[in-house]
Amino acid sequence: AQSVTQLDSQVPVFEEAPVELRCNYSSSVSVYLFWYVQYPNQGLQLLLKYLSGSTLVKGINGFEAEFNKSQTSFHLRKPSVHISDTAEYFCAVSEIGGYSTLTFGKGTMLLVSP
Amino acid sequence: GAGVSQTPSNKVTEKGKYVELRCDPISGHTALYWYRQSLGQGPEFLIYFQGTGAADDSGLPNDRFFAVRPEGSVSTLKIQRTERGDSAVYLCASSLDSQNIQYFGAGTRLSVL
Repeated sequence: AQSVTQLDSQVPVFEEAPVELRCNYSSSVSVYLFWYVQYPNQGLQLLLKYLSGSTLVKGINGFEAEFNKSQTSFHLRKPSVHISDTAEYFCAVSEIGGYSTLTFGKGTMLLVSP
Repeated sequence: GAGVSQTPSNKVTEKGKYVELRCDPISGHTALYWYRQSLGQGPEFLIYFQGTGAADDSGLPNDRFFAVRPEGSVSTLKIQRTERGDSAVYLCASSLDSQNIQYFGAGTRLSVL
C-alpha cells in the first residue's frame, strides 16, 4: 500500500515569486510519481510525471519537480508564478508494473495574489 | 481527439433515490477508473476496469455502489438508496498503457439532499 502526504493545505504567494509545493510518499514497492492540477470546477490535468531516468522532471506551464528517493519526496517548484496558477495541486503515486490505481495526497491550494 | 467525457456534470437527488453516472473514456483506452473526491480531499479510488471486467473493486464503500462496462468502453457507476454522505464529485479516468498515465474527466458533482 502507498500513502502520500502534502504537508501544506494552502500556500499563499505573490505573483512573480517562486513557489515550492511539498510532497512526501510512503511505499513498500517502487512507484511512479505524478502531479496533477485542478482548476475550479474542472477535472484533474496532468502537470508532470516521473517514470524513470532523470530525477528532475519538467512539466507544463513552467513547473518542474525533483524525485528524491532517499527522502521519498517529489516536491513541485516554479521559479515565478502567475495569477493563473491559482489552483489545487495534487501529488499522486502508483505502483510500477502495469495498470494500477493512483493514490493521491489531500492537495495543496496555491493562492497567487497580485 | 476527445478527452474523457462524464455526464451529467451535476446531479441533485433526494436521499434514498437511485442514480447513474456515465463515463465515456478516450477512444482506445482499455483501462477505466472511478474515483470519488469529497470536499477538501484528494480523489479516492473506487473501482477500475480492464476491458469489460472489474479488475479491482476494493474501493467501493459498500454494496450500494456498483459499476459496469459491458462493451469495454462506456462505463456507468450506479448508486442505490443514496445517502447524504454520498455527496461528492465522482471522477472518471482512462489510460492506455502500462505506465499508467491516467486522463481525467471533469467529474460529476452529486448532491444528495
